[in-house]
Amino acid sequence: AQKITQTQPGMFVQEKEAVTLDCTYDTSDQSYGLFWYKQPSSGEMIFLIYQGSYDEQNATEGRYSLNFQKARKSANLVISASQLGDSAMYFCAMREGRGTGNQFYFGTGTSLTVIP
Amino acid sequence: DTGVSQDPRHKITKRGQNVTFRCDPISEHNRLYWYRQTLGQGPEFLTYFQNEAQLEKSRLLSDRFSAERPKGSFSTLEIQRTEQGDSAMYLCASSLAAGGPMETQYFGPGTRLLVL
Repeated sequence: AQKITQTQPGMFVQEKEAVTLDCTYDTSDQSYGLFWYKQPSSGEMIFLIYQGSYDEQNATEGRYSLNFQKARKSANLVISASQLGDSAMYFCAMREGRGTGNQFYFGTGTSLTVIP
Repeated sequence: DTGVSQDPRHKITKRGQNVTFRCDPISEHNRLYWYRQTLGQGPEFLTYFQNEAQLEKSRLLSDRFSAERPKGSFSTLEIQRTEQGDSAMYLCASSLAAGGPMETQYFGPGTRLLVL
């Protein structure tokens, strides 16, 4: 089974609108971390937002928020007020394992295009 | 505050040659990670270090791949007897060892390898 599943290969959103990028994960660990990264066409991976498995509140960072539904094992990224510069690939990632026994997984990504 | 740096940024080599990539992490970061990213895919975790100790290497792609971090600062990733299938972007990231948001990995610009 895939550890991280991103089911939307491509998404389009109108400028200034909100968009939700889906991510589901698979782990039996109680302690894990979830991350979203943005990768523009330049290739650099840019960290956006983090959610720990024990965090009770959804993470927010500026225009980014993470809709964390633990029972459903989903960690969707919400981008509000989309901007043209948001056009990029978006990757969901997970760290599982404790202490020195960590494993790291990325999804296949969602390509977001913001339309003027 | 300098970010993660990688050298070289691009490498073209002939099949069968050995290549070595260098990564310099963010200076206060204890952990250093290596990933491979092929076209259209998310990063694939290879190995990671905490200080000079290599904590996970079972996901290195074959015994042709090896990594070192001898003094707990910069790291090198070596690929011996390169094959055309090794052509990819090799990404390095670093983080603090602690859990929570401080486990967030920050990525370098990557080294793009082309094996002819």
